[in-house]
Amino acid sequence: AQSVAQPEDQVNVAEGNPLTVKCTYSVSGNPYLFWYVQYPNRGLQFLLKYITGDNLVKGSYGFEAEFNKSQTSFHLKKPSALVSDSALYFCAHLKYSSASKIIFGSGTRLSIRP
Amino acid sequence: DTAVSQTPKYLVTQMGNDKSIKCEQNLGHDTMYWYKQDSKKFLKIMFSYNNKELIINETVPNRFSPKSPDKAHLNLHINSLELGDSAVYFCASSQETGANVLTFGAGSRLTVL
Repeated sequence: AQSVAQPEDQVNVAEGNPLTVKCTYSVSGNPYLFWYVQYPNRGLQFLLKYITGDNLVKGSYGFEAEFNKSQTSFHLKKPSALVSDSALYFCAHLKYSSASKIIFGSGTRLSIRP
Repeated sequence: DTAVSQTPKYLVTQMGNDKSIKCEQNLGHDTMYWYKQDSKKFLKIMFSYNNKELIINETVPNRFSPKSPDKAHLNLHINSLELGDSAVYFCASSQETGANVLTFGAGSRLTVL
């Protein structure tokens, strides 16, 4: 079955350190992959997407993600974490069926300590 | 101006009641969605409409009935509410189906007692 997996429920990072939120995919063909962020009591916000082209995708708020075909990964990264980055992060993929739909991973809670 | 707005934000009701959640988007998008987020934060797509036409209907109990009077509105009506319906329901929209970006509303937290 096509899916994305987020192996970590929680990631803790000190402010100023680099952060990585992991995502692996199991998608046939060319995957369309996304990252979204959810702040407390808010809806999800789009961060970035990979469709094709450059494997390094830059997004909002200084985040980037690297598409790695050999490792079937699409990890989210930021060189220097801010306390305000603390939120729930979702990896997602586009699933093709009778109608295309975006399917979300289980989410990773990112906590940045001052 | 809020791009995707949902009402009500909070809804507390008794089992067996019928309730509705409304959603409106002012982005001119063609496609609208309902997602359900459970207490463990899992997000699951429920329905999608493209230009008032139902295009996605996941395995959702038929107590849930979406209605799209026009492409800017997508409402969700739930009959005979059950405890397990307690969740946050998110409306979203996108320009088209496929790899377009979803814009989400702030969510409607439904609590069934």
